[in-house]
Amino acid sequence: LAKTTQPISMDSYEGQEVNITCSHNNIATNDYITWYQQFPSQGPRFIIQGYKTKVTNEVASLFIPADRKSSTLSLPRVSLSDTAVYYCLVGDKNNFNKFYFGSGTKLNVKP
Amino acid sequence: NAGVMQNPRHLVRRRGQEARLRCSPMKGHSHVYWYRQLPEEGLKFMVYLQKENIIDESGMPKERFSAEFPKEGPSILRIQQVVRGDSAAYFCASSPGLAGGPGQETQYFGPGTRLLVL
Repeated sequence: LAKTTQPISMDSYEGQEVNITCSHNNIATNDYITWYQQFPSQGPRFIIQGYKTKVTNEVASLFIPADRKSSTLSLPRVSLSDTAVYYCLVGDKNNFNKFYFGSGTKLNVKP
Repeated sequence: NAGVMQNPRHLVRRRGQEARLRCSPMKGHSHVYWYRQLPEEGLKFMVYLQKENIIDESGMPKERFSAEFPKEGPSILRIQQVVRGDSAAYFCASSPGLAGGPGQETQYFGPGTRLLVL
């Protein structure tokens, strides 16, 4: 199964760069890797999506090695408002209609 | 373009009653996903539907829970004979359904329905 593995939690301080890695050993060949952010009492929202190498947008960067068995979400210079839970999502290599949300990484940004 | 709509936002039921949660996907989206989130826990996938078709219900409890996405109207998650353990936030997401599978599309989430069972 294309299970995903993420750290349960991370602590950081304002202004630091934060890297959150998701392992997905059995990712589907043609599928994207997508990351979502969830604040308390809200639905998750899309942050960034990529297929390989590096993707950058105004919010984050996503690093994907050549074997695509993991991905790293990078948040530059975090602020208190980045305190949230971050999830990765990938499709299953063996089942077209299957996908897996990671268990989520709770990021706590301290002043 | 309105986002994913869920109603009600809050629902209180007594044990044994039925709960009906509604989800209107974004305009033009034909795929809907339901998730459950217990307090202080992560999202748990429940069911993935296309219009008039259940694609994957591997995350649905075997009893009391059902979901549908009719040709017209919103998707409905129905919980019969609710118990206290059903108290949770239920999130719906939608995607266009134009790409290959769910791993190739972005899901857009609604604000959730918070169910409280007394």
